[in-house]
Amino acid sequence: AQKVTQAQTEISVVEKEDVTLDCVYETRDTTYYLFWYKQPPSGELVFLIRRNSFDEQNEISGRYSWNFQKSTSSFNFTITASQVVDSAVYFCALSEGYNQGGKLIFGQGTELSVKP
Amino acid sequence: DVKVTQSSRYLVKRTGEKVFLECVQDMDHENMFWYRQDPGLGLRLIYFSYDVKMKEKGDIPEGYSVSREKKERFSLILESASTNQTSMYLCASSPQGLPGTSGVTQYFGPGTRLTVL
Repeated sequence: AQKVTQAQTEISVVEKEDVTLDCVYETRDTTYYLFWYKQPPSGELVFLIRRNSFDEQNEISGRYSWNFQKSTSSFNFTITASQVVDSAVYFCALSEGYNQGGKLIFGQGTELSVKP
Repeated sequence: DVKVTQSSRYLVKRTGEKVFLECVQDMDHENMFWYRQDPGLGLRLIYFSYDVKMKEKGDIPEGYSVSREKKERFSLILESASTNQTSMYLCASSPQGLPGTSGVTQYFGPGTRLTVL
């Protein structure tokens, strides 16, 4: 069965610290997509990144980086030099290849609090 | 920019009332989704729609129905609201992917926080 696990319910760091949010997934498909979304206090989920199962290259976007490892079924998200504006709930999600329209299976979310 | 709007940010209803949550997207997306978000459970899919007048059940459809009469609008209906439907409701839309594939990005509205008393 498809499943996404974000074991860290809450993380609290001090500004400028690096922080890694873990995501572990389960799927029987060989073709699938992984996503990260950010949900700030305003409530709207903001799309951050999408990766497909055939591309294991790590990706960096400014202070954000993602580490995709099929061998451990993980898609971890690192924020370097965290800032107060990074405080939010972060969701990892999985979409399987056979799904038309991309139904998403979400993890439970990790609430990140960055203190000044 | 993709814009997904939801009719209300906050809503308070009484048990037994019929509740309509409206969602509108302006990007001509084929797919639309309704999720509910509860602490510790993440987002769970209630219903989704691939096209006008089409709908499919998600993981937790009980107690809900949907309507999609126009491409841009997807309504979630609680026929008789109950206290266990108090939650945050999120609507999303996405373009149609290639047949048999997924990976299209979903874009979310701001959410409606529904309280049923």
